[in-house]
Amino acid sequence: DAMVIQNPRYQVTQFGKPVTLSCSQTLNHNVMYWYQQKSSQAPKLLFHYYDKDFNNEADTPDNFQSRRPNTSFCFLDIRSPGLGDAAMYLCATSRSRGGDEQYFGPGTRLTVT
Amino acid sequence: KQEVTQIPAALSVPEGENLVLNCSFTDSAIYNLQWFRQDPGKGLTSLLLIQSSQREQTSGRLNASLDKSSGRSTLYIAASQPGDSATYLCAVRRAPGNMLTFGGGTRLMVKP
Repeated sequence: DAMVIQNPRYQVTQFGKPVTLSCSQTLNHNVMYWYQQKSSQAPKLLFHYYDKDFNNEADTPDNFQSRRPNTSFCFLDIRSPGLGDAAMYLCATSRSRGGDEQYFGPGTRLTVT
Repeated sequence: KQEVTQIPAALSVPEGENLVLNCSFTDSAIYNLQWFRQDPGKGLTSLLLIQSSQREQTSGRLNASLDKSSGRSTLYIAASQPGDSATYLCAVRRAPGNMLTFGGGTRLMVKP
């Protein structure tokens, strides 16, 4: 089945230790998104890729970076995680930016110790 | 700036009851609206996408309506089941190419 896959599902990292979260998709969608969702809050968009075009949200901290080496994969790098970065990180895809339905992965729960 | 509100934040109903979840948005100039379901500790599952030109969309026991002029959408769940227990989120897109703005969600519990 075509889907959005996130690895790992649970990640524990130490304060200040760089961490990378992975997302892959078999939908062949052009757009990939990264959201941060803290407990009992709505998902907050960090950035998205339209093909290779990177689009950062204005209030996304510099601590967060992303890479998209090919259509299928997208990575979220957190350079120096703080306690406040503990959250669920959701990857999503859509066929285009035009308003198509977004499909979400299962998320990665990040814990910072 | 678009703001999306979902009331109530939590809802508990007995099994079999029909229920309505509400979503309101401050800017009525939207392109489309999407309803999602989120189980605890999991990602979002898309339920329905309703375009601004549409009044409603149906999928199984779910029916979403949209009243753009009043800035409201409702998600109707018929004959609720314990398996419907989850958080339901609505999100609006202002225009093609714009990103989704999410509401805070309604946490639904359906008791057997």
